[in-house]
Amino acid sequence: DTEVTQTPKHLVMGMTNKKSLKCEQHMGHRAMYWYKQKAKKPPELMFVYSYEKLSINESVPSRFSPECPNSSLLNLHLHALQPEDSALYLCASSQGSGMYFGAGTRLSVL
Amino acid sequence: RKEVEQDPGPFNVPEGATVAFNCTYSNSASQSFFWYRQDCRKEPKLLMSVYSSGNEDGRFTAQLNRASQYISLLIRDSKLSDSATYLCVVNAANGIFGTGTRLKVLA
Repeated sequence: DTEVTQTPKHLVMGMTNKKSLKCEQHMGHRAMYWYKQKAKKPPELMFVYSYEKLSINESVPSRFSPECPNSSLLNLHLHALQPEDSALYLCASSQGSGMYFGAGTRLSVL
Repeated sequence: RKEVEQDPGPFNVPEGATVAFNCTYSNSASQSFFWYRQDCRKEPKLLMSVYSSGNEDGRFTAQLNRASQYISLLIRDSKLSDSATYLCVVNAANGIFGTGTRLKVLA
């Protein structure tokens, strides 16, 4: 089973809202990732968690706050986003032999 | 120079053709390499890993050239269903995607 589950599939939020994106995997992978993808562009790395610890933060603005409650779950907390943050947010997990992606959350910020 | 670069294409090829893509990387410490395919409005899907000795999976062959710092993907006997964007990932300590190459296989 190479499944990574992301919820919600779609999210519309105002600039003053607080929301969270969720990601779950049960493959025992110890690395989990958040990527942001704009239309016609490649995925852009945001955060990497390794063994539940944040190992890479690619200078992401503080309005994005990641959290890894346990080895299967990864959250991305959103607050005071801007319209330019509208994108597809992808979660992935890995155990060294390539990343497996969830279907993504399509986020629109109004 | 970007960390990972690909020719964006699009590559328009007839069914049955052989097509090859390259992906160049700048970090010589990179350890692992992968090819992904991404369909429109879908997530990237792992196509194959790229090993030092090269590897083949059906119509797909991937190779690594460490000296020149590039990886390649060869698709033989192209099918309409191969139409997608092909992305390379080069992993030193994180997963950095190349810019992607669009392939359109024409009937």
